[in-house]
Amino acid sequence: DTEVTQTPKHLVMGMTNKKSLKCEQHMGHRAMYWYKQKAKKPPELMFVYSYEKLSINESVPSRFSPECPNSSLLNLHLHALQPEDSALYLCASSQAESSARYGYTFGSGTRLTVV
Amino acid sequence: GENVEQHPSTLSVQEGDSAVIKCTYSDSASNYFPWYKQELGKGPQLIIDIRSNVGEKKDQRIAVTLNKTAKHFSLHITETQPEDSAVYFCAATSEDTGRRALTFGSGTRLQVQP
Repeated sequence: DTEVTQTPKHLVMGMTNKKSLKCEQHMGHRAMYWYKQKAKKPPELMFVYSYEKLSINESVPSRFSPECPNSSLLNLHLHALQPEDSALYLCASSQAESSARYGYTFGSGTRLTVV
Repeated sequence: GENVEQHPSTLSVQEGDSAVIKCTYSDSASNYFPWYKQELGKGPQLIIDIRSNVGEKKDQRIAVTLNKTAKHFSLHITETQPEDSAVYFCAATSEDTGRRALTFGSGTRLQVQP
């Protein structure tokens, strides 16, 4: 298995809702990432998990809450989002945080719309 | 921190022609430079990468060159095909510092006209 699987592919949520995005990989990668991508822009780093511990939080608002239950799973919990949070949320993994040499594998993303 | 600039933002070529996309980076500590292709509705896919200990790398129709002194690297696609149409991102990071994720360029939308 050489893929990063993200679910759901599309999500529409209201500003008062609570939802979660899920990311799964079975490549034995020990670093996992959340990126946010707005239309016609490059991906922007949100969070990095290394060996299931949060190692980087790029000053992301607390309405985004990441969780890494085990080495294969990464969740992003969403609460009280704003319309400007609408974007493509990408999950990625690599063999280790310090080994970008092996390249990131990205999932196809979750297209989030906040109404 | 690292800053990566990418040009052009859009590029239109005829099928069979070559396409070149250029990036510059600011941090001399960066030593790993991947290129990603992103098709509509999909996540970025790694197509080629280069490390600072080499000046050029080739994989079939795709090649990447790196000039460490000038801090720029380029993607070359030869014999372009319509399926090469996508957004291409360059990126940079250091493999040595241990806690740095990729910094992406702003992207180039490549359109290959049949």
